[in-house]
Amino acid sequence: GQQVMQIPQYQHVQEGEDFTTYCNSSTTLSNIQWYKQRPGGHPVFLIQLVKSGEVKKQKRLTFQFGEAKKNSSLHITATQTTDVGTYFCAGDNYGQNFVFGPGTRLSVLP
Amino acid sequence: DTAVSQTPKYLVTQMGNDKSIKCEQNLGHDTMYWYKQDSKKFLKIMFSYNNKELIINETVPNRFSPKSPDKAHLNLHINSLELGDSAVYFCASSQDYRVYGNQPQHFGDGTRLSIL
Repeated sequence: GQQVMQIPQYQHVQEGEDFTTYCNSSTTLSNIQWYKQRPGGHPVFLIQLVKSGEVKKQKRLTFQFGEAKKNSSLHITATQTTDVGTYFCAGDNYGQNFVFGPGTRLSVLP
Repeated sequence: DTAVSQTPKYLVTQMGNDKSIKCEQNLGHDTMYWYKQDSKKFLKIMFSYNNKELIINETVPNRFSPKSPDKAHLNLHINSLELGDSAVYFCASSQDYRVYGNQPQHFGDGTRLSIL
């Protein structure tokens, strides 16, 4: 079945450093979504990428969808303590079940 | 106004009991979901309903039975609770994915279920 993996599993950064999490699918995705879950909170939708090679920015966050639509990345520039949480990617392969990656847990040290 | 609301927020109960979790959304969405998040934070879809019709039913023990009385509600009933059922259960909703493709999912605050 379809598998979605994320690396790293955990990342500890000093405030002000950059952070990147990578998402890889075993199959081609129709689109990919990114969510953020704060500690003790619920997943919150951040963005959806649909087109091959697509790049989208939200302030300090940059999202990319790979050319083959099998991988994606989320990059945060100059992390802040408010960026703490778990970042999930999620997608499906054209009608198959929607699957969440295992998440990358980000800690930001002040 | 809360978009997706779940009750209760916390549920502590004995093994073997039967319990229900309720979910309601006021976003006018057609699709609703139940997810289980374990202690390692893995989010696994359990069920999905579209306009009261079951469309996704993952490999979940039949002790778990979802019920959708209308498209704004998706409740989860669990029979004979087991220790391994301890987790956070999230309800979510989205626009009709069969019409629009994958759409952003809006999650409730979660129900933290602890089995003693």
